[in-house]
Amino acid sequence: DAGVTQSPTHLIKTRGQHVTLRCSPISGHKSVSWYQQVLGQGPQFIFQYYEKEERGRGNFPDRFSARQFPNYSSELNVNALLLGDSALYLCASSPEASHNSPLHFGNGTRLTVT
Amino acid sequence: AQSVAQPEDQVNVAEGNPLTVKCTYSVSGNPYLFWYVQYPNRGLQFLLKYITGDNLVKGSYGFEAEFNKSQTSFHLKKPSALVSDSALYFCAVRDGGGGNKLVFGAGTILRVKS
Repeated sequence: DAGVTQSPTHLIKTRGQHVTLRCSPISGHKSVSWYQQVLGQGPQFIFQYYEKEERGRGNFPDRFSARQFPNYSSELNVNALLLGDSALYLCASSPEASHNSPLHFGNGTRLTVT
Repeated sequence: AQSVAQPEDQVNVAEGNPLTVKCTYSVSGNPYLFWYVQYPNRGLQFLLKYITGDNLVKGSYGFEAEFNKSQTSFHLKKPSALVSDSALYFCAVRDGGGGNKLVFGAGTILRVKS
């Protein structure tokens, strides 16, 4: 079975631009979460979606938005990019949104903002 | 707020020796604790979790973790380290706000030398 897939793998953008990152969960998984991992730090929670509804939002500005599609894939959008947005963006899926479900992570999208 | 601390930035161990990667937690309510491993340029891989039950939890690749409520610790252990275990290890705790949002520690680099 395919794992969580993310695209693109790498991306270089200029300050002020916007970016869209994509994620396909493991087949059968209905929950998708997004995390930001800055170099040298642990991942920080951005969003969680379950059955196309937002279930949680982390402490990130409104420049960050996301959505989940009927096939459970997801997009993360970041507007007005700042240098500090440079990070590895990780998508994780789980069968459901309960506390017992471990997260399965993709390999991430490495975003560099210049 | 839920949090975890990984007091060691790096742990060095010789191949064949036992290894321990430390994690302490701070939670309100029941702790739901996880360990993940990250290899270079990859996403996080789930190793094991503690939800309830036995204090010694067995996971993937020969790893185990010991839950200690009195010391609020959840240390990761392996009886005999392999060079291939060299990676970045993250302890995480389920956020108390519901769903399966995780709060990660800063990570510990494990180096196993032959």
